[in-house]
This record gives sequence, structure tokens and C-alpha cells, in this order.
Amino acid sequence: EDQVTQSPEALRLQEGESSSLNCSYTVSGLRGLFWYRQDPGKGPEFLFTLYSAGEEKEKERLKATLTKKESFLHITAPKPEDSATYLCAVPRSSGNTPLVFGKGTRLSVIA
Amino acid sequence: DTEVTQTPKHLVMGMTNKKSLKCEQHMGHRAMYWYKQKAKKPPELMFVYSYEKLSINESVPSRFSPECPNSSLLNLHLHALQPEDSALYLCASSQLWEHGNTIYFGEGSWLTVV
Repeated sequence: EDQVTQSPEALRLQEGESSSLNCSYTVSGLRGLFWYRQDPGKGPEFLFTLYSAGEEKEKERLKATLTKKESFLHITAPKPEDSATYLCAVPRSSGNTPLVFGKGTRLSVIA
Repeated sequence: DTEVTQTPKHLVMGMTNKKSLKCEQHMGHRAMYWYKQKAKKPPELMFVYSYEKLSINESVPSRFSPECPNSSLLNLHLHALQPEDSALYLCASSQLWEHGNTIYFGEGSWLTVV
């Protein structure tokens, strides 16, 4: 069964304190791993797509990496405006069905 | 421009009402989606349209009725809903899903059923 597990569920950081969020997945024939940011009461905002192990992508203070079993979202010197829920998602391995999401990591950055 | 526009942003309806949620995209995407999201939960897929035809229905109750009038528009018709249907309803679009393309979401419509 396809599964996406994110950890930790919640993370509280001081401003400037770097850390990483984890997304582990079990799906055969990976056709992309997607990271989204979601602010309270709003739709998910696309951040990155990673397609193959070893791939890395960066955007401002965020850097996403991918291995054969997991992805990391590294946050360098976070600011309070980085506070949000970060969602990881992968396509199902069978059938013509799009994304299955992890439960997300709720990040709080304290000034 | 990666914009999916949803209206209304907020909707309160009674259990006997009929209402509709609307979604529009002008990115030339041929796949459109409805997701439902409850508080502190991830989005859950409801329906997928490919080339304006319903391709996936995730066993959604018939009180939710999707419609895709053309390649840019997607509606969700609501009738005889229950209070537990209160949630954030997200519309999304992408190029054809078979290629693992990125799905872009709208801001959502907050639905409260009273």
C-alpha cells in the first residue's frame, strides 16, 4: 500500500535555528515527490517537485533533497514568515490516481 | 501564471439548500480536481476530470455532484449536505496527470453546513 509519512508532526524553532523536515514514502515507480506549503485557511502552495534520487532544489531558505526512500526539506535560518504546514505528496503507484499526501509538519518559527 | 481561482471563499448553507462551488483556471491544464480538507488533516481527493470527462470518483456521496462545463471551469454542486461535510474544498489543476505533472491548488472555499 502506498504510504507517505512525515515527521515530526510539529516543530517549533527559534528564528535563525536551522532544521529539517522528513518525508518517507513507500511507492513503487516514483513519478515525482511534491512539497507544498499551506498557510492556515488557504490552499496548498506548490514549492518543489523532485523526480530522481540525488536531486536537489532550492528556493530562498528552503532546500529539498530526495533519496530512494525519503525526502528532506531543509530550512536554513528560518524567519517567522516561514511558519506554516509543509505537506509532502507522491502519486499513487497504481492506477490513474493523483497525489497521496502525508499528514504534514506544522512549523512554528518564533522571533 | 499559476493561478486557480475559486468562488465563493466562504459559504454557509442549510442542510436543505442547493449551492455550488466554482473554479476557474487559465493555464491550459487539461486535468482538474476537487479535494476536501478537514482541519489539521491533509487534502483528500474527491474527483478528477481529464479532458472535461470525469475520470475518478473516490466513492464520494451523491450529494456532491461535479461538473466540468469546459476546459477552464469546474463546478461542485452541493445538495442536502450534512454538518460533517463542513470543510475546506480545494480545486486544483494540472497538465495530464499520467505524466506526473505538478498539481496547482486554489485558495479554497470554506463550507459550513448548519
